[in-house]
Amino acid sequence: DTEVTQTPKHLVMGMTNKKSLKCEQHMGHRAMYWYKQKAKKPPELMFVYSYEKLSINESVPSRFSPECPNSSLLNLHLHALQPEDSALYLCASRGYGGSQYFGAGTRLSVL
Amino acid sequence: GQQVMQIPQYQHVQEGEDFTTYCNSSTTLSNIQWYKQRPGGHPVFLIQLVKSGEVKKQKRLTFQFGEAKKNSSLHITATQTTDVGTYFCAGLTDSSYKLIFGSGTRLLVRP
Repeated sequence: DTEVTQTPKHLVMGMTNKKSLKCEQHMGHRAMYWYKQKAKKPPELMFVYSYEKLSINESVPSRFSPECPNSSLLNLHLHALQPEDSALYLCASRGYGGSQYFGAGTRLSVL
Repeated sequence: GQQVMQIPQYQHVQEGEDFTTYCNSSTTLSNIQWYKQRPGGHPVFLIQLVKSGEVKKQKRLTFQFGEAKKNSSLHITATQTTDVGTYFCAGLTDSSYKLIFGSGTRLLVRP
């Protein structure tokens, strides 16, 4: 069982919808990540929060908006997405030596 | 930019055969990590190698880190059907929060 919890597991949304993905970890890690993963590809880094501050933004379009309310929680707000944004969205927290503990992910379909 | 190449892309073996995947980084790494992703699942951290020439074993899995800290390998002895999945290496450079993932090797095992 993963110690990083993501909700929802599945999400279908239209291009005009606004939705949010949520991630929670209770391992005391101080850095959390959002990744996007397409089928048969490696995870692609989107954002990194370190000590609740945004430290890396990999030039992600503004229709994705991250938020870190506290050291245990990470949100990803979605607005006006495109069909090509359909993917598995993974949250991870950073452990010792930079190891990543991934959540089970949210499978997003944009219609 | 920094890259981590991984080969082969895909391998199909008979159960009981051995399997090896290789990673090569364009730059020296502070550590290299290995992840396994089962079909339909999320990446799961397997191990981290830090020292030049390091070798670590986990049951039938043997992980090596090259002397120059630029390459690594994962060897599975006597594969089982439970080994099916995609294996990713991921490298970390000093003072970085960003893991650079290899493209992954997809392993299929014929029973």
